[in-house]
Amino acid sequence: SQELEQSPQSLIVQEGKNLTINCTSSKTLYGLYWYKQKYGEGLIFLMMLQKGGEEKSHEKITAKLDEKKQQSSLHITASQPSHAGIYLCGADSSGTYKYIFGTGTRLKVLA
Amino acid sequence: GAVVSQHPSWVICKSGTSVKIECRSLDFQATTMFWYRQFPKQSLMLMATSNEGSKATYEQGVEKDKFLINHASLTLSTLTVTSAHPEDSSFYICSASRARRADTQYFGPGTRLTVL
Repeated sequence: SQELEQSPQSLIVQEGKNLTINCTSSKTLYGLYWYKQKYGEGLIFLMMLQKGGEEKSHEKITAKLDEKKQQSSLHITASQPSHAGIYLCGADSSGTYKYIFGTGTRLKVLA
Repeated sequence: GAVVSQHPSWVICKSGTSVKIECRSLDFQATTMFWYRQFPKQSLMLMATSNEGSKATYEQGVEKDKFLINHASLTLSTLTVTSAHPEDSSFYICSASRARRADTQYFGPGTRLTVL
């Protein structure tokens, strides 16, 4: 079965610093989604990547999918306290029509 | 567009009672709805997939007689936790997709269940 591993598990940064979260798949990714979740709340869709080498940006968040389509990174530039939360990558589990989630990364931004 | 609601947002019940959670797609027809469970500090785990008009498909380890799922219409799916026990306390999130496969999913805000 396909698995998504995220790193780091948790991250504490000073406001204004840049940071990167990685999501590594055990199999080729056919659709990679990034979400943000505040504890006890639903998921907020951030971005979807499908093509190898694809890169998308929204405000200060940039997500990339590598050429081999097995790893994605989420980069936040000049982090703010509003970026704090749990970041989850999700993907269509190849060939099963199921959805799997990464292990999650807890981000805390210190003001 | 693509808004999914859940009701209730939180519920506290006594052990042994049943609890129903509703998941509604407000502005689109959801051919497929998914139910997830999330324990504190853990990721989401898929419990079951339901397609409108057919029986839900449960993931391994999820008791279908305990977690009853009904997807009676293209805008509503319900999850009933029967004879709830404290270990069923968790955060339950539903999502909805326009397609039959795991296409872009739209997530509900979640329901926090506490069983005393």
